[in-house]
Amino acid sequence: EAQVTQNPRYLITVTGKKLTVTCSQNMNHEYMSWYRQDPGLGLRQIYYSMNVEVTDKGDVPEGYKVSRKEKRNFPLILESPSPNQTSLYFCASSLYAGLRTGELFFGEGSRLTVL
Amino acid sequence: AQKITQTQPGMFVQEKEAVTLDCTYDTSDPSYGLFWYKQPSSGEMIFLIYQGSYDQQNATEGRYSLNFQKARKSANLVISASQLGDSAMYFCASNYGGSQGNLIFGKGTKLSVKP
Repeated sequence: EAQVTQNPRYLITVTGKKLTVTCSQNMNHEYMSWYRQDPGLGLRQIYYSMNVEVTDKGDVPEGYKVSRKEKRNFPLILESPSPNQTSLYFCASSLYAGLRTGELFFGEGSRLTVL
Repeated sequence: AQKITQTQPGMFVQEKEAVTLDCTYDTSDPSYGLFWYKQPSSGEMIFLIYQGSYDQQNATEGRYSLNFQKARKSANLVISASQLGDSAMYFCASNYGGSQGNLIFGKGTKLSVKP
């Protein structure tokens, strides 16, 4: 089954404790990206990757890191989480490069709470 | 900076009727993609439909169609014959030729279908 898998799905942590949200896709997609969703703000892109070893900042990259060492994996790293990073996070991938990168398969989301 | 505007925070539609969800975008790039997504109350994000800026015809996918008016910079989603299962949040998004991987989302419209 084609899917994007995120882990953990739910996490409560404390300020400053490094965490990683993993994302893996089994569709051999070139493009992967991370978003956060906050009430009233829609989705905002954190980082994206057009291919292995190629990553770019989205609109809200501060406080986050990513890496793309393999095509299937695109982990999101919060080096020192803060309460303003409490959010619902989505990982997504796309078969397409170019303008159709927005034709996305989404993971189920990871709800992160930072105390 | 690119911007997506969805002016309808919430809408109601009677079952079996058609509904139009508004989306306007703001880019000076001649090359861009436009996307719509659905987020049911269960939380998953589902890609619905894509329109490229150079596409001559409006995109259609089953009961979904995109009313693309380039001069007005609008990309409205039309859902025909609404069903109860169409009740959800709907997000419009866009990228552009200068940064195809950078996807910008609107804040969303909550659609409620009445029986």
